Amino acid sequence: DAGVIQSPRHEVTEMGQEVTLRCKPISGHDYLFWYRQTMMRGLELLIYFNNNVPIDDSGMPEDRFSAKMPNASFSTLKIQPSEPRDSAVYFCASSLGGGGAYEQYFGPGTRLTVT
Amino acid sequence: AQKVTQAQTEISVVEKEDVTLDCVYETRDTTYYLFWYKQPPSGELVFLIRRNSFDEQNEISGRYSWNFQKSTSSFNFTITASQVVDSAVYFCALSEAATGSQGNLIFGKGTKLSVKP
Repeated sequence: DAGVIQSPRHEVTEMGQEVTLRCKPISGHDYLFWYRQTMMRGLELLIYFNNNVPIDDSGMPEDRFSAKMPNASFSTLKIQPSEPRDSAVYFCASSLGGGGAYEQYFGPGTRLTVT
Repeated sequence: AQKVTQAQTEISVVEKEDVTLDCVYETRDTTYYLFWYKQPPSGELVFLIRRNSFDEQNEISGRYSWNFQKSTSSFNFTITASQVVDSAVYFCALSEAATGSQGNLIFGKGTKLSVKP
């Protein structure tokens, strides 16, 4: 089976531009997570969904960030407008269930560079 | 509040040495889960193990072994006879089962392991 798929793998954009990151979770997984990894802050959860419904978005840095999950096989993370401090690796992960009882499987990540 | 501490920022060993990566966690929940993930230089995060708070049995998988001790809130990871391919950043993570924390993984800062030939 295919793992979590993310696109693009690399994105370079200029400050002020809109950026959209995409994720396809593992089929049958009910939970989808978006994480951000930076040298300064490490790995931090941005938002997660259960059955396509956002459950906790307290990790989203500010209103410039938004995430959607229109169906069970697709999610997007959008940054508008982007800023240099948004440069990071963004990971999408999915799991069969929640409550920590199920491991999360991560996609390869999208390396975002905002100049 | 929940927290995961990996005090070792970087470790360097020579191939075939044994190495232990430390992980100390903090939680007020009685039901929780602990994880280890590996991040090789290619960047992806690879799941290694999950352990729940009611199972303190140590686990061995090939050259990997994990020691879970609730008394010291530790979940240490040992690689026996290390190999160059073990070079990676290793993350310990905690997830609480309480409502409102459904699956939220709290990661440590990671330990970078370099295995030299």
